[in-house]
Amino acid sequence: KQEVTQIPAALSVPEGENLVLNCSFTDSAIYNLQWFRQDPGKGLTSLLLIQSSQREQTSGRLNASLDKSSGRSTLYIAASQPGDSATYLCAYNTDKLIFGTGTRLQVFP
Amino acid sequence: NAGVTQTPKFQVLKTGQSMTLQCAQDMNHEYMSWYRQDPGMGLRLIHYSVGAGITDQGEVPNGYNVSRSTTEDFPLRLLSAAPSQTSVYFCASSYSISRGAGNYGYTFGSGTRLTVV
Repeated sequence: KQEVTQIPAALSVPEGENLVLNCSFTDSAIYNLQWFRQDPGKGLTSLLLIQSSQREQTSGRLNASLDKSSGRSTLYIAASQPGDSATYLCAYNTDKLIFGTGTRLQVFP
Repeated sequence: NAGVTQTPKFQVLKTGQSMTLQCAQDMNHEYMSWYRQDPGMGLRLIHYSVGAGITDQGEVPNGYNVSRSTTEDFPLRLLSAAPSQTSVYFCASSYSISRGAGNYGYTFGSGTRLTVV
């Protein structure tokens, strides 16, 4: 069965902390893995996409890594800010997108 | 550059009513799909289309119909609404990253929140 697990399910941290969000998946035959951000009541915004041949991608304060052999991806958020508060979803792509249930992040001032 | 546009944003239906959720994209993407999002279950694929005139079922297709007459539009029809279809529905449009099927990046619409009473 295709599954994606995201740990932790929720996280509350003070502003300025460096954060690690974890994603593990069961299927090794993936094309890519994508991290999304979802604000309450809103749609999904793509943050980073890592191809199966890549090890990591970076955008600003965000860095995502991919270890296909172990079925793991990590999203690293540097110097967190209250504006980073949202739910973060990872999804891997075989011939369709398989989603995790997300990590709900709250960053307080 | 609107991206993926979904209408309506909110809808309340009575059990047994039918309706169509609209999805349009202006990026000339071949691949489009519909997901539903329920608490604690993540997003699940309902139907998808790899191009105009071609559709296929996803993980949870029962109670829904789709058609793809143009590249731009991919409407989702609820045939006879049931309370179990209360959910948030997302349409996605996908761009091909490399040659060969499957290697897509996804762009999502802002969603339709549907309540069936």
